[in-house]
Amino acid sequence: GAVVSQHPSRVICKSGTSVKIECRSLDFQATTMFWYRQFPKQSLMLMATSNEGSKATYEQGVEKDKFLINHASLTLSTLTVTSAHPEDSSFYICSARVWGHWEQFFGPGTRLTVL
Amino acid sequence: AQTVTQSQPEMSVQEAETVTLSCTYDTSESDYYLFWYKQPPSRQMILVIRQEAYKQQNATENRFSVNFQKAAKSFSLKISDSQLGDAAMYFCAYRGPQGGSEKLVFGKGTKLTVNP
Repeated sequence: GAVVSQHPSRVICKSGTSVKIECRSLDFQATTMFWYRQFPKQSLMLMATSNEGSKATYEQGVEKDKFLINHASLTLSTLTVTSAHPEDSSFYICSARVWGHWEQFFGPGTRLTVL
Repeated sequence: AQTVTQSQPEMSVQEAETVTLSCTYDTSESDYYLFWYKQPPSRQMILVIRQEAYKQQNATENRFSVNFQKAAKSFSLKISDSQLGDAAMYFCAYRGPQGGSEKLVFGKGTKLTVNP
């Protein structure tokens, strides 16, 4: 089956630093990747949609300069949280989809803690 | 904007019994997709079942089935013969028609506890 990995699974950083999270589709080419944020005991909220080779589309209220998304290849998308603050602490989940196919395959998530 | 509502924050069921999780949604589209996802303590999202709005027949996957009421915009999940491994958060999700917005809109989730 389609497998999506995320790295790292957990990261702790100091306030003001930047953190990069990788999302990889291991056995298929993902034309579209999605980034979600999930706060404790809450639902998944879509942050942005990225298509390979083009700029990401951000959801309303998500700061594009703070959450930088790059989808440079068909198997890799990265989310960089710039100048992280404690309120950015959350669980970040990516998903990937093949063009023309309905199903999104989810990664295992990355827990970010900003001290 | 589309919205998905899960009115049951928590549910519990005895092992081997049946439980139904509720979900309602709001959309002006006639063609769309509905999903139930399971999120166990590992936090990995797992697709449980999906339903295409144009299909009248309710989807079924082994012990999981849905009751899709398009006019009422209702999409409930029935879990039969509940097992301990079914304990998880369950999220109802909506996706618009093919060719339109690809994003999933999730409900707030229902935490299911299975009692031995």
